[in-house]
Amino acid sequence: TQLLEQSPQFLSIQEGENLTVYCNSSSVFSSLQWYRQEPGEGPVLLVTVVTGGEVKKLKRLTFQFGDARKDSSLHITAAQPGDTGLYLCAGARNYGQNFVFGPGTRLSVLP
Amino acid sequence: ETGVTQTPRHLVMGMTNKKSLKCEQHLGHNAMYWYKQSAKKPLELMFVYNFKEQTENNSVPSRFSPECPNSSHLFLHLHTLQPEDSALYLCASSQVGNSPSGEQFFGPGTRLTVL
Repeated sequence: TQLLEQSPQFLSIQEGENLTVYCNSSSVFSSLQWYRQEPGEGPVLLVTVVTGGEVKKLKRLTFQFGDARKDSSLHITAAQPGDTGLYLCAGARNYGQNFVFGPGTRLSVLP
Repeated sequence: ETGVTQTPRHLVMGMTNKKSLKCEQHLGHNAMYWYKQSAKKPLELMFVYNFKEQTENNSVPSRFSPECPNSSHLFLHLHTLQPEDSALYLCASSQVGNSPSGEQFFGPGTRLTVL
């Protein structure tokens, strides 16, 4: 049973388009992280959200944590080829003692 | 630079070889992890060490043997591997217990190919 679900699994879009990817769970997390991973490299942490309803912005990326702290979304405005990669969400509980990853959304932005 | 280094970055080994992967974290964290990432599969947690003590072993075959001599270093000893063990092996560290976030920081990984 996958504790964290991510959708869509794959997404291919043209440069300049907007997109939203989702991370959902039936469990409550004390925090949720988003990572981006490029081929052959380790995941790189993009953001951590802690408070229910919290919104964080990182340039063209907007992250939102659900009010109930069970889900999150990542919105990218005007996507660029450099945004291509695997986007992973991860949830933490018990002050980081339990940490679970979703299966990821593989994004391809075509020039 | 995430503060977590891994060596080697690439490794090719035969099924009868013995090799070791090394991970070092420069973040002062108290927990370290080994993950396996196969093509088109989710990250699989292999081992967890908190304060140098192994706290989790997710049914990993005995041909993988972890070692954590101190809170900054983590090794994965490999012997008599199978071709299906070919994957990207990722090391991560985190600070557990001080804050709700507990986010993990990853090294660049070791790409392992077993012939």
